[in-house]
Amino acid sequence: QVQLQESDPGLVKPSETLSLTCTVSGASLSDYHWAWLRQPAGKGLEWLGRIYNRGRTDYSPSLKSRITMSLDTSKSHFSLKLSSVTAADTAVYYCARLGLSFFLDAWGQGTTVTVSS
Amino acid sequence: DIVLTQSPGTLSLSPGERATLSCRASQSVYTVYLAWYQQRPGQAPRLLIYGASTRATGIPDRFSGSGSGTDFTLTISRLEPEDFAVYYCQQYGSSPYSFGQGTNLQIK
Repeated sequence: QVQLQESDPGLVKPSETLSLTCTVSGASLSDYHWAWLRQPAGKGLEWLGRIYNRGRTDYSPSLKSRITMSLDTSKSHFSLKLSSVTAADTAVYYCARLGLSFFLDAWGQGTTVTVSS
Repeated sequence: DIVLTQSPGTLSLSPGERATLSCRASQSVYTVYLAWYQQRPGQAPRLLIYGASTRATGIPDRFSGSGSGTDFTLTISRLEPEDFAVYYCQQYGSSPYSFGQGTNLQIK
């Protein structure tokens, strides 16, 4: 059974870079594609982007200038970096696995990121 | 980009009743690449339906999905207490993938 676990950066200061990792167990990073999403408190889900099993990326156009995703198969984790954060980036961040046709078939529990000085 | 609009925003029903949730896309969804997720308070979303009508592993058969093109429906035949949650549709046929705003299914 696949399990995904986001790291916990907690509080991030405005204008700094948010860094998250998602550790995967029960599945090989090289066999699937992976995604990041977020959800502000009381609001809906926002797609941030995906990283293919060989490292190619596909980002949301609204975040493309600030976002970077990467894959580390040796450590069984993939990562998200979001630069120049503001309060609007405060949310629960989820990592997820993309299934056969790119639906999201497994999710991490989510990690709350607060942007505040 | 494809915009998904879910209706109703809130649905109040009693256990045992039938729930019908709608998801309408601003343009045709490629190859019925439409999924439904359930999110209970404080939890991550859980995949219910993919390909518009295929139940994910372990999902009870009271959940069913239908539709194609721009109109999709999630039906819960007889509501159980654990079904009261927020439901999201998502299209994954066209990047950027997008979600509906959610339907809050609450106990009447």
